[in-house]
Amino acid sequence: KAGVTQTPRYLIKTRGQQVTLSCSPISGHRSVSWYQQTPGQGLQFLFEYFSETQRNKGNFPGRFSGRQFSNSRSEMNVSTLELGDSALYLCASSLRAGEQINEQFFGPGTRLTVL
Amino acid sequence: AQSVAQPEDQVNVAEGNPLTVKCTYSVSGNPYLFWYVQYPNRGLQFLLKYITGDNLVKGSYGFEAEFNKSQTSFHLKKPSALVSDSALYFCAVRDKNQGGKLIFGQGTELSVKP
Repeated sequence: KAGVTQTPRYLIKTRGQQVTLSCSPISGHRSVSWYQQTPGQGLQFLFEYFSETQRNKGNFPGRFSGRQFSNSRSEMNVSTLELGDSALYLCASSLRAGEQINEQFFGPGTRLTVL
Repeated sequence: AQSVAQPEDQVNVAEGNPLTVKCTYSVSGNPYLFWYVQYPNRGLQFLLKYITGDNLVKGSYGFEAEFNKSQTSFHLKKPSALVSDSALYFCAVRDKNQGGKLIFGQGTELSVKP
């Protein structure tokens, strides 16, 4: 099976712009979660989607949003970019939402740089 | 609130020696614990998990972890380190109040020298 794929792998944007990141989960996986990784804050949970519905949300401002499509692919959007949004954005998939015993499988991430 | 701590930012080990990467947790109820590894410019790779049962959990690439409820620890171990084990290691706990959400430790950089 192919793993979790994320596009693009690298992005450079300027402050005030918006950006959309894409994630395709492992075939058959219906839950997608997003995490932000920075040197200062580490790995932080953004949100989780299942069946096109946001199930959980982390402590991020409303500029961060996401959605999931019927084929389980997910996108996240960041509007009005700030310098502090520079990070590695990781997508993870698992079979079902809320199943705490199952591991999540991570994609390679999208490296976003905001200038 | 549930949390995970990795007390060491960096661990240095000689190749062939045993390695330990430490993790302690704070949760209410029974914990669901995970270890992930991250190589440069890569995403996280799952190593192993503890859900219930035997306190010694075996995972990928020869790694194992020991769950200790009294010490609230879940240390990652390997009997003989390889240079290729050099990477960033993350301990994580499932947030039972938020479904699939993982709470990660700050990570430990493992360096294995020849």
